[in-house]
Amino acid sequence: AQSVSQHNHHVILSEAASLELGCNYSYGGTVNLFWYVQYPGQHLQLLLKYFSGDPLVKGIKGFEAEFIKSKFSFNLRKPSVQWSDTAEYFCAVTPYGNNRLAFGKGNQVVVIP
Amino acid sequence: DAMVIQNPRYQVTQFGKPVTLSCSQTLNHNVMYWYQQKSSQAPKLLFHYYDKDFNNEADTPDNFQSRRPNTSFCFLDIRSPGLGDAAMYLCATSRAMGDDEQYFGPGTRLTVT
Repeated sequence: AQSVSQHNHHVILSEAASLELGCNYSYGGTVNLFWYVQYPGQHLQLLLKYFSGDPLVKGIKGFEAEFIKSKFSFNLRKPSVQWSDTAEYFCAVTPYGNNRLAFGKGNQVVVIP
Repeated sequence: DAMVIQNPRYQVTQFGKPVTLSCSQTLNHNVMYWYQQKSSQAPKLLFHYYDKDFNNEADTPDNFQSRRPNTSFCFLDIRSPGLGDAAMYLCATSRAMGDDEQYFGPGTRLTVT
């Protein structure tokens, strides 16, 4: 079964700072990769996804993630955060052809105005 | 427009008293999922329905059951809730079972007294 690791569970940063959240997975085969975001009081929603093709994926709200197969990583980045980016961010993985998501524990990100 | 709806948003039940959580969707998706998310932990897949075909995860306790009477509705039944079953329960849907985005509901927070 696949598993996902996210480090630095709590991240606090100021507006305009850059954000990078690490995600590593363990699975021997081909995978699909996702980042989901949960804003305070709201449901989980998709930020971006990687199925195949260009390993640099651009998502909503200026976020991007890079799939590095050799490192089993799918790190999330945003060059300049805003207060509205305060949320919990979850990395998730499914085996290719299968939608059974395995989530990481999440990163709680707080952006200070 | 709500796409995946969960009722109630908060549920309190007594130790050992059966409880049912409900999920409905307006997306006409084939697949519906139930996840359990305990405090400070990753969401964990309990089971899913592909149309009427039920698929249980190997480590889902027998105490948890599910019903899907039609495309739009799916229920999570906890036959004898224990204190350890207190969690957020998330419902999600997807069009297909492979390589597809999942859409999440807001969750039901279950408290067991």
